Amino acid sequence: LAKTTQPVSMDSYEGQEVNITCSHNNIATNDYITWYQQFPSQGPRFIIQGYKTKVTNEVASLFIPADRKSSTLSLPRVSLSDTAVYYCLVAANSGGSNYKLTFGKGTLLTVNP
Amino acid sequence: DTGVSQDPRHKITKRGQNVTFRCDPISEHNRLYWYRQTLGQGPEFLTYFQNEAQLEKSRLLSNRFSAERPKGSFSTLEIQRTEQGDSAMYLCASSLRGAGGDTQYFGPGTRLTVL
Repeated sequence: LAKTTQPVSMDSYEGQEVNITCSHNNIATNDYITWYQQFPSQGPRFIIQGYKTKVTNEVASLFIPADRKSSTLSLPRVSLSDTAVYYCLVAANSGGSNYKLTFGKGTLLTVNP
Repeated sequence: DTGVSQDPRHKITKRGQNVTFRCDPISEHNRLYWYRQTLGQGPEFLTYFQNEAQLEKSRLLSNRFSAERPKGSFSTLEIQRTEQGDSAMYLCASSLRGAGGDTQYFGPGTRLTVL
């Protein structure tokens, strides 16, 4: 299973752009990179998913270099409500076409006023 | 589409009692997953269904735990003879098998407290 490494915590201020980088040196050819956001006492919320290059949606952008050994989640103009834990995951193909997600401890992003 | 729902949201029980949780996935999703999350940790995979078939179980799922998805729609997770170490958030997720990354959508979770 590909293991991910991301910072334990980050601090930012309202209105700033936040970039959270995740390392996944052992990513496999068939693996996708997925980011989730989690607020206390809630289930994780899907943010964005990508395979290579750049993916953008209404919430965030995901940058993936050619070697795919890392990825960067970019949150534009964060607000206080973006304070949460952000998880970087690599989809693990655990036999056949099954997928199970392996979560680390994530990055606690704190947005300050 | 109302998303993944879980019931109950909170459950307090005494050690030794049995508890059952329910998960209703997004209606067209054929895959359903159960995870467990303890304080300060990320969710841990417990088990996985494709339609009604339980295809994978984690070693975390002791013989006191059983999960079913009888008609390939909702699922139940039962814990027998609960222990204090079972206290956690139990999360359900669902996805639609397709080409590429299998995006899982999570429910709000059921928080279990074993006294």
